Amino acid sequence: DQQVKQNSPSLSVQEGRISILNCDYTNSMFDYFLWYKKYPAEGPTFLISISSIKDKNEDGRFTVFLNKSAKHLSLHIVPSQPGDSAVYFCAASAKTYKYIFGTGTRLKVLA
Amino acid sequence: NAGVTQTPKFRVLKTGQSMTLLCAQDMNHEYMYWYRQDPGMGLRLIHYSVGEGTTAKGEVPDGYNVSRLKKQNFLLGLESAAPSQTSVYFCASSYPLPGAGQGSTDTQYFGPGTRLTVL
Repeated sequence: DQQVKQNSPSLSVQEGRISILNCDYTNSMFDYFLWYKKYPAEGPTFLISISSIKDKNEDGRFTVFLNKSAKHLSLHIVPSQPGDSAVYFCAASAKTYKYIFGTGTRLKVLA
Repeated sequence: NAGVTQTPKFRVLKTGQSMTLLCAQDMNHEYMYWYRQDPGMGLRLIHYSVGEGTTAKGEVPDGYNVSRLKKQNFLLGLESAAPSQTSVYFCASSYPLPGAGQGSTDTQYFGPGTRLTVL
């Protein structure tokens, strides 16, 4: 049973446009969510996080939105740049030390 | 400050062989984790540790053992490797969030990964 789902395995966006990556979860106990970015042959690196007490968190070009009633979060990248091309993972935690990761979305930003 | 390092970067084993993957972190983090990444499966937690001398099972612990004898090191062992253990293994470490109280943790810092092939 996949508790964290990223239903789009890949996404292509033109440089300068907005990239929207989506993540759905099933466990209503999740209270902390993160997005990681991963380049080939490297480990994931932290991008942005959000606590369940918020519905939005912004950091530069990256904004994460959380809709608790829909059990949905999204990552917006504006404007998208070719260097943003990577695999993006969302992850969730339910008051524990453990995170459940989604399967990832491969973003390709076209120059 | 090297962050999280993993040794080795690549390894090929034959079925039934054993090996140990070493993870080291120099950030004085309390928590450490071992994940495996397989195509279409995302990252799955194998084992984790919330402090020196403690370990706990994650989602997919079977076939693996771990030890955390020193705070900075977390070892992952395969006693008898199987082809199903062919994967990329990532180690991570983290602090708890300040004032978290109920177990939420800060971001995890990942190592570069170990690519293991079991023939």
